This record gives sequence, structure tokens and C-alpha cells, in this order.
Amino acid sequence: AQSVTQPDIHITVSEGASLELRCNYSYGATPYLFWYVQSPGQGLQLLLKYFSGDTLVQGIKGFEAEFKRSQSSFNLRKPSVHWSDAAEYFCAVGPDRDDKIIFGKGTRLHILP
Amino acid sequence: NAGVMQNPRHLVRRRGQEARLRCSPMKGHSHVYWYRQLPEEGLKFMVYLQKENIIDESGMPKERFSAEFPKEGPSILRIQQVVRGDSAAYFCASSRAGSREQYFGPGTRLTVT
Repeated sequence: AQSVTQPDIHITVSEGASLELRCNYSYGATPYLFWYVQSPGQGLQLLLKYFSGDTLVQGIKGFEAEFKRSQSSFNLRKPSVHWSDAAEYFCAVGPDRDDKIIFGKGTRLHILP
Repeated sequence: NAGVMQNPRHLVRRRGQEARLRCSPMKGHSHVYWYRQLPEEGLKFMVYLQKENIIDESGMPKERFSAEFPKEGPSILRIQQVVRGDSAAYFCASSRAGSREQYFGPGTRLTVT
């Protein structure tokens, strides 16, 4: 069965520090992978996606993610976080087109001034 | 191009009442998905609809919940005889036919008192 695991429920980093949020997936074929961000009380915004091709994908707001098939991972990274990055981040996997997206439980990012 | 629209943004119902949540997809999108987010949880798929058809309702509770996407007008998620456990954020997403990318609305936060 398809599943997404985000092992860290909460992550705290200092402003300006680098960030890596972990995501592992279980899927039988080549997955379609997403990272979404949700600010408190808001909807979801797509940060980036991987469908095929280059395994390092660039997204909005300075985020990037790397697809590693051998590790079944799609970790999200940012070289230097800003206070405005404090939010909840969801990794997700989508199967064939026109079907549902499976979400991880999310990682809440806290930023120290 | 307006994004996915949901209304109301906040809805309070007493136990036993009915809740109706509306979703207008993005222009040109014919596929609608409903997801539910319980407190401290990720989003869980509920139902996938195309115009006048339910394609996949594997995530819908068997009782009290129904969804429709009529030929004209928004998609409606209906919850009859609400209970406290229905309190959650309900998100709608839409996509074009054949696309793997879903665009999310701002959500409706349902509170059952």
C-alpha cells in the first residue's frame, strides 16, 4: 500500500540555519512526489514536485528536494531559513494521474530568532 | 485566474444538524477531490469526483457523508447529523483532466458543538 512517513513531528532551527525535513515513501512504481506548506489556519501551498527527470528539484521560496530512489526518500532542504518559514510541511505521494494524493502526517517547523 | 474557492471558511454546527460545504474548482478544472484534516493529522482523502460522477469514494465514511459535483455549480460535501468527531478542516482540491497536480482551496473549518 502507498504510504508516506515523516519521522519528525516537530523541528526547531535558528533563523539563518540550514534545514532538512525528512520524508520516506512506500510505493510500488515510480512515485509522483510533492511537498506542501501550510501556515496556521491556512490552506496548502505547493512548494515543489517531482514527476521524472532531474532528481534535484527546485521549488518556491528557496526550497529544494532530492529524490533518492535507493532510499525511498524525498527530503526537503533550504540553505538558510527565515522566520516566515515557520509552518507545517507535508510530504505527499501521488499515484497515477487523476487519483488521490497520500499525505504524511506533517512536520511542524519552529524558528528561533 | 481565481484559485479553488471554498465556502464557508468557518462553520459551526450543533450535534445532529447538517453541514454543507461548497467547493468551486479552478477554471478549466473538471476534477474535484475532498480531503479531511483532523487536529494534529495530515490530510486524508475522502472522495474524488468528476462532473456528475463519483469516481472514488473509498475514503468517505459509509454513513452520514455524501458528495456531489453537479453539471452546473459547485461541488458539495454534505454531512448529516453531525457529531463532535466530525470537527475538522475540510479541504477541496481540483485538477485538470489527466493532470497529477492538484490545487487546494483554503479549507472549511467545521466545529461541532
